[in-house]
Amino acid sequence: DVVLTQTPPTLSATIGQSVSISCRSSQSLLDSDGDTYLNWLLQRPGQSPQLLIYSVSNLESGVPNRFSGSGSETDFTLKISGVEAEDLGVYYCMQATHAPLTFGSGTKLEIK
Amino acid sequence: QVTLKESGPGILQPSQTLSLTCTFSGFSLSTYGMGVGWIRQPSGKGLEWLANIWWDDDKYYNPSLKNRLTISKDTSNNQAFLKITNVDTADTATYYCARIVGTGHVMDAWGQGASVTVSS
Repeated sequence: DVVLTQTPPTLSATIGQSVSISCRSSQSLLDSDGDTYLNWLLQRPGQSPQLLIYSVSNLESGVPNRFSGSGSETDFTLKISGVEAEDLGVYYCMQATHAPLTFGSGTKLEIK
Repeated sequence: QVTLKESGPGILQPSQTLSLTCTFSGFSLSTYGMGVGWIRQPSGKGLEWLANIWWDDDKYYNPSLKNRLTISKDTSNNQAFLKITNVDTADTATYYCARIVGTGHVMDAWGQGASVTVSS
């Protein structure tokens, strides 16, 4: 199975600060069709996960543009440009290139 | 608006079969490219993908549980189902269903989750 390693496990930020979360894959996530199926989700406290970004860098409809994704092959990054209070929660990367689908272990964002 | 809602027994005993239902609206599982997936999350832990079912009745399972899982759908009633046989305490978790779109398995809408406890 593909292992996704997220760092850091915990992140503490002040409002307005920009932060980045890393997701590293044990295998290349470049699919034979040319796409890279790496998605980012946010799970706010007490809520279900919600999709933020799909296929590395595509912002899901309704998600603020302070969120951005980048990367390729095995190294991916989620950046929040100007953290807001509502951004607290656990961020997960997820890959769908290789079966079975797997998730990273999560990065908890705390607001100082 | 796409909505999904999971329902299940709440509590069951070891060795029993867990039956979960996902009732959804805002899309059809007969539409090309649409799917429903099941994901679970033990309390305080991460997410584990279990199974997907697609508009064409293609099914995919997590090999770590494959022999215990059965996913199915009722397109006319906008429902998807998951059965897990021979449960034990390790199956205690919140179970989510999610709409999946396209080859990238984009889980773009999630249900609120159904809490399941396995206890004797």
